[in-house]
Amino acid sequence: QSALTQPASVSGSPGQSITISCTGTTNDISAYDYVYWYQQHPGKAPQLMIFDVNKRPSGVSNRFSGSRSGNTASLTISGLLTEDEADYYCSSYTTSATLIFGGGTKLTVL
Amino acid sequence: QVPLQESGPGLVKPSQTLSLTCTVSRGFVNSGGYYWSWIRQHPGKGLEWIGNSFHSGSTYYNPSLKSRVTLSIDASKNQFSLKLTSVTAADTAVYYCARVPSSGPGGADYWGQGTLVTVSP
Repeated sequence: QSALTQPASVSGSPGQSITISCTGTTNDISAYDYVYWYQQHPGKAPQLMIFDVNKRPSGVSNRFSGSRSGNTASLTISGLLTEDEADYYCSSYTTSATLIFGGGTKLTVL
Repeated sequence: QVPLQESGPGLVKPSQTLSLTCTVSRGFVNSGGYYWSWIRQHPGKGLEWIGNSFHSGSTYYNPSLKSRVTLSIDASKNQFSLKLTSVTAADTAVYYCARVPSSGPGGADYWGQGTLVTVSP
């Protein structure tokens, strides 16, 4: 199974908004409402930020939001903070009953 | 929180079997509602799903690893395990155990801290 497609890097200034895309196929992203987003700081385990396309776990800032259009899911971070600088990954359930990840996006807060 | 903790050798020789265990400190692996998952991350690279196990005995594997992977659950110890056979240097990675909600199995809601496994003679 091929990885979901994410941009390698995005950047933004403090206070700005950025969007990270995650493109798949009709066999994953658009097949079910099971798209997750994670934040990973260096040397740390990934932390769940969004589940089921657009739901936030308790404790996650409402600056993080998820959406989907067709085969592309998106993570938007508004009001960027320096602490948001990290790697971000998407994942999705597939019609083969497997789980697939995106290649990851490095967010730089300038 | 549902703490998950990986354990196992940090160094494995080529052609041998990599064995890791994940201990669930709170909650029960046989309570249903969750898949118990293994995910790895090669150094400096992205995340790769290895597979999920369910308390019923059902298992689901990444097709690219399926021939070498076995997942299992030991409810008496509240643990689940990974075995990866015939390892090579390409299996050097940080291995994470994680919990995947069966109501929405698109990813993991809780992760262990990860353990680095190096494959080297």
